[in-house]
Amino acid sequence: GENVEQHPSTLSVQEGDSAVIKCTYSDSASNYFPWYKQELGKRPQLIIDIRSNVGEKKDQRIAVTLNKTAKHFSLHITETQPEDSAVYFCAANKSGGSYIPTFGRGTSLIVHP
Amino acid sequence: NAGVTQTPKFQVLKTGQSMTLQCAQDMNHEYMSWYRQDPGMGLRLIHYSVGAGITDQGEVPNGYNVSRSTTEDFPLRLLSAAPSQTSVYFCASSYSSGGNSPLHFGNGTRLTVT
Repeated sequence: GENVEQHPSTLSVQEGDSAVIKCTYSDSASNYFPWYKQELGKRPQLIIDIRSNVGEKKDQRIAVTLNKTAKHFSLHITETQPEDSAVYFCAANKSGGSYIPTFGRGTSLIVHP
Repeated sequence: NAGVTQTPKFQVLKTGQSMTLQCAQDMNHEYMSWYRQDPGMGLRLIHYSVGAGITDQGEVPNGYNVSRSTTEDFPLRLLSAAPSQTSVYFCASSYSSGGNSPLHFGNGTRLTVT
């Protein structure tokens, strides 16, 4: 089955810095890669996703890049703000059947004012 | 649309008691699932369903039962609660079971078993 590794487990940055979280996956057939943000005490919510026919996707201060050859994808947050502090989860999935997403273990991002 | 609704928000059980966590979605989603979240363990899949009448086991199914009699509802039953089942439980749904649409999560149920 699919295996998703996520690094780092904890990331501490100063406000205004950039943050990068990286995930690797094992199944070359995976073709859908969502990222979820979970604020303390809240539910995970989708912030951005990318499909395998695209190498990069941006939405304001966040972007996701995908390298299919190396089987890794990354979340980039620029100009971090204290409200970006949360746990971020990556996931990998593949279309075409009853496939369930495989999640990474999560990254706790702390943005210091 | 209410999205994914979970009840109750909090629950305390004694060891050996049984209970049902409720989950309902009003988005006509095909796929529904239950996760538990423990510190440092991420999201672990308990059971999932790809449509009414169809359920299957996830990574950590022991001690839990599910059923899917309608598209909207996917209750999770704890048969005989144990302290190891103390956790936060999330129900999640997605439009397609085909693996290319995002999950929508409920607000979670915080369960404590004493």
